[in-house]
Amino acid sequence: AQSVTQPDIHITVSEGASLELRCNYSYGATPYLFWYVQSPGQGLQLLLKYFSGDTLVQGIKGFEAEFKRSQSSFNLRKPSVHWSDAAEYFCAVGDDAGNMLTFGGGTRLMVKP
Amino acid sequence: GAVVSQHPSWVICKSGTSVKIECRSLDFQATTMFWYRQFPKQSLMLMATSNEGSKATYEQGVEKDKFLINHASLTLSTLTVTSAHPEDSSFYICSAWQGWEPEAFFGQGTRLTVV
Repeated sequence: AQSVTQPDIHITVSEGASLELRCNYSYGATPYLFWYVQSPGQGLQLLLKYFSGDTLVQGIKGFEAEFKRSQSSFNLRKPSVHWSDAAEYFCAVGDDAGNMLTFGGGTRLMVKP
Repeated sequence: GAVVSQHPSWVICKSGTSVKIECRSLDFQATTMFWYRQFPKQSLMLMATSNEGSKATYEQGVEKDKFLINHASLTLSTLTVTSAHPEDSSFYICSAWQGWEPEAFFGQGTRLTVV
């Protein structure tokens, strides 16, 4: 069965600092991987996704993620965090068709002024 | 990307009553829809998978008689929480799949509060 681990429950960074959110997955085949962001009381917004090809994927809002098969990781990065990035971030892995998702526990990002 | 609309965005109901949540794909036909539940400060957990015209498949631990799912058309799936109790208070969110692109699209979610 597929699973996703986000080791960091909370992360606090200063505005303007770089950010890396960790995600490790367990899946037998080549995974479909996603990062979503959720603001309080809101739905999910897709930041980026990896299906195949280039292992470094660019997303919205200046985010990127790198798929590393050898490490079973799909870490999310941003070079300079803005206060508006404070939210909950979820990594997810899709099933064979990519549509049924298993989510990680989430990482809550706080941004210090 | 494709648009999925969920209604209502929030609902408050009395304990013992039933609540229906709708999930619509607005600009595509969804062969499969998924329902997730998210408790406060927790992650999203898949409740069930619904395919148009057939019975939903429920995840282990989800009561199918309590959470009735109907996927009567290619653009609409409904989740009915029957005889709701305070412990059913949660954020419910659906996603819809077109059938070919490996990505499902999420609705905006429904916050259910049972008092």
